[in-house]
Amino acid sequence: DQQVKQNSPSLSVQEGRISILNCDYTNSMFDYFLWYKKYPAEGPTFLISISSIKDKNEDGRFTVFLNKSAKHLSLHIVPSQPGDSAVYFCAARGGGGSQGNLIFGKGTKLSVKP
Amino acid sequence: GAGVSQTPSNKVTEKGKYVELRCDPISGHTALYWYRQSLGQGPEFLIYFQGTGAADDSGLPNDRFFAVRPEGSVSTLKIQRTERGDSAVYLCASSPQGSGGGETQYFGPGTRLLVL
Repeated sequence: DQQVKQNSPSLSVQEGRISILNCDYTNSMFDYFLWYKKYPAEGPTFLISISSIKDKNEDGRFTVFLNKSAKHLSLHIVPSQPGDSAVYFCAARGGGGSQGNLIFGKGTKLSVKP
Repeated sequence: GAGVSQTPSNKVTEKGKYVELRCDPISGHTALYWYRQSLGQGPEFLIYFQGTGAADDSGLPNDRFFAVRPEGSVSTLKIQRTERGDSAVYLCASSPQGSGGGETQYFGPGTRLLVL
């Protein structure tokens, strides 16, 4: 049973518009959430994170929103650029004693068209 | 200085053979993680080291998989009697302390293992 779900395998957006990537989770013990970006043949690159005690974190064009009651988070990219085209992974760190490992979703492939 | 490095970048082997995958973490990082990513999936946790000891090996799929980090820096993931289902990208990540205090894990480029 998947604890972190990214239900959209792909998303296509026009350059300059907003990209919204969604992620749902099932475990209320998760205390930290991260977004990673991955280009082909490279490892995941950290993008932005949010603690479970916050509901928003912003870094330049990237904003992550967390809705704990809905167990949902989203990544907003504004404005989207062609270089943002990549696979985006949502990840959660398990609380309740599980401090090390991250649990990843399956990823959403974002294509930003010029 | 540099980021996490992994060698080899690609490894092709035959079913039943033994393989070793190496990870060099970011200098000074005490926590090191191994993940495995199959096609169309996100990375799946295998094992986590805090210093030289395995703090959590609950993700290792079976006893054919073993990992060591004898001096608290470089780590080697060892797979015995490889099976075709072991084919995947093996990712290594490191973080400064691994204390659970909201640390970011930094990933290497991965080793692409193909078992024929």
